[in-house]
Amino acid sequence: QVQLQESGPGLVKPSQTLSLTCTVSGDSISSGRNYWSWIRQPAGKGLEWIGRVYIGGSTNYNPSLKSRVTISLDTSKNLFSLRLSSVTAADTAIYYCARGAYTTSAIDYWGQGSLVTVSS
Amino acid sequence: DIQMTQSPSSLSASVGDRVTITCRASQNIATYLNWYQRKPGKAPKLLIYSASSLQSGVPSKFSGSGSGTHFTLTISSLQPEDFATYYCQQSYTAPPTFGQGTKLEIK
Repeated sequence: QVQLQESGPGLVKPSQTLSLTCTVSGDSISSGRNYWSWIRQPAGKGLEWIGRVYIGGSTNYNPSLKSRVTISLDTSKNLFSLRLSSVTAADTAIYYCARGAYTTSAIDYWGQGSLVTVSS
Repeated sequence: DIQMTQSPSSLSASVGDRVTITCRASQNIATYLNWYQRKPGKAPKLLIYSASSLQSGVPSKFSGSGSGTHFTLTISSLQPEDFATYYCQQSYTAPPTFGQGTKLEIK
């Protein structure tokens, strides 16, 4: 059974960098069959796609966040990571990591989500 | 970005009811439309992909239809575990975008 688990600080100060890690079990991120995504949901708002990374390391980012986002893979540890710089209160949200399937173009497995609050 | 609009935003129904949720895209997305279920504190779950294909392991009570700009998710014979929030998502073009969600509540 594929499982994804987010981890990282729950509180980040304004102007600092938010860093989250997603540990994958039940699948190898090196397999090349899938891509790996981050999605977030601020309180009271909708789901927002942040970006995704492919096995070769190439990435796609949401244009609204592109200047502040980095998503990367660590194949030795079977995990992928999110870094979001220069955060403000508007970045307070539940952050989800997820697996996307090439065959369906859908996100077929999600983590439970990690609440990150931006506050001094 | 492609805008996805779901209706209704909330829905009250009883156990045993059949309900339909609608999702409209701001432009033609063919059948690149997926449906997800989310329950509090749990990982969202893929129900339907490519507008009408049932994800493996998902009960056949869930069904999807549509193409172009108009899509529906139908849930037949509601059970207590079906009360959750449902989202549509287009995977036609980046960035993928989601509907605002439909909260299905017990009447």
